[in-house]
Amino acid sequence: GQQLNQSPQSMFIQEGEDVSMNCTSSSIFNTWLWYKQDPGEGPVLLIALYKAGELTSNGRLTAQFGITRKDSFLNISASIPSDVGIYFCAGKISGNTPLVFGKGTRLSVIA
Amino acid sequence: NAGVTQTPKFQVLKTGQSMTLQCAQDMNHNSMYWYRQDPGMGLRLIYYSASEGTTDKGEVPNGYNVSRLNKREFSLRLESAAPSQTSVYFCASSVLAERNEQFFGPGTRLTVL
Repeated sequence: GQQLNQSPQSMFIQEGEDVSMNCTSSSIFNTWLWYKQDPGEGPVLLIALYKAGELTSNGRLTAQFGITRKDSFLNISASIPSDVGIYFCAGKISGNTPLVFGKGTRLSVIA
Repeated sequence: NAGVTQTPKFQVLKTGQSMTLQCAQDMNHNSMYWYRQDPGMGLRLIYYSASEGTTDKGEVPNGYNVSRLNKREFSLRLESAAPSQTSVYFCASSVLAERNEQFFGPGTRLTVL
């Protein structure tokens, strides 16, 4: 099946720092989504992207749909302790294909 | 408005036992999904139902069956549980299969001994 490569696998940052993570695919996607999962909870949708080059923000989070349509990026500015969790990217090739998830980036924030 | 609910939250089975995981959504969504999540892995699709009355296999369907009981409910059945099915199971729903924004339930933690 389709594979999404998400990096980094994990990161430790100081509170207040900015964070960047990305997701790449060997296939062209028409949709990119970013989710966050807190311990013991289900994933929560953060941002959805539908157009190449699209840049969308949700508070301190900003995500971009890469212009090649094979990658996406998520940035978190001025991190705070509640940003801790696992961030998943997900992508879709076309309307009829299932969503494919990356393996996640585990973010730890040191106060 | 509870969103997506799943029962039970936790379950321990012995190898060979059967059980059904329940999922319901109150958002009037047409499409529903079952995923499993294993340590260090992303979410892998088991089965999905694009609309009431239809079901399709996902990436890892072996050992599972599903039933779309009505528009609200989508159940996942393990007929003969195996230790390899120890995992966290998530149900999700979306307005339409083509609308990719899926909303997830809180998960069921299943251990098969």
